[in-house]
Amino acid sequence: DTAVSQTPKYLVTQMGNDKSIKCEQNLGHDTMYWYKQDSKKFLKIMFSYNNKELIINETVPNRFSPKSPDKAHLNLHINSLELGDSAVYFCASSQGSNSGSETQYFGPGTRLLVL
Amino acid sequence: GQNIDQPTEMTATEGAIVQINCTYQTSGFNGLFWYQQHAGEAPTFLSYNVLDGLEEKGRFSSFLSRSKGYSYLLLKELQMKDSASYLCAVRDGDYQLIWGAGTKLIIKP
Repeated sequence: DTAVSQTPKYLVTQMGNDKSIKCEQNLGHDTMYWYKQDSKKFLKIMFSYNNKELIINETVPNRFSPKSPDKAHLNLHINSLELGDSAVYFCASSQGSNSGSETQYFGPGTRLLVL
Repeated sequence: GQNIDQPTEMTATEGAIVQINCTYQTSGFNGLFWYQQHAGEAPTFLSYNVLDGLEEKGRFSSFLSRSKGYSYLLLKELQMKDSASYLCAVRDGDYQLIWGAGTKLIIKP
């Protein structure tokens, strides 16, 4: 009965590889997010989708490409991985009602280490 | 620019009270959130303030002053399990949250 799930939980890979992280939510939410949390613990928004449409697209390298096949899924594909991509990537979802009090629910995170 | 400031780390004693402050400067304001994040885990929602004043929820309370761009999270009767990072976040528009770096709270017996 996991609300927001991510796979894989850990990802260790070589520089230059291409990898994908998957996220699924079973909360019936309309909005999903990808965050990057670096070693300094800042949570930085990368992308957000509302009902499969991209609504937030922060300044991230175009090696990062999100894809939302349906509103319950938001995947993140990363091309040509670099050392600086090492971080924890969190997926989150929210109802998408545009209400100010709307809470975001986070997945367990994917710990990416690029060697 | 957008800026949220919190102390990096605080230490408190089990059973005591601690106040974690957050100041913000954002282009818009549509509410302030506090999240708790235990080491190696995901952030979880604690509280939400959009009007000035104090919101109490059990051992945790959160205060907001919009005119001062200031909030605090008050934790009472501290327990060892309260050792975690506490993240302040401001909604500046419709969807986006601007996050602080978090305050690592260490509880000592």
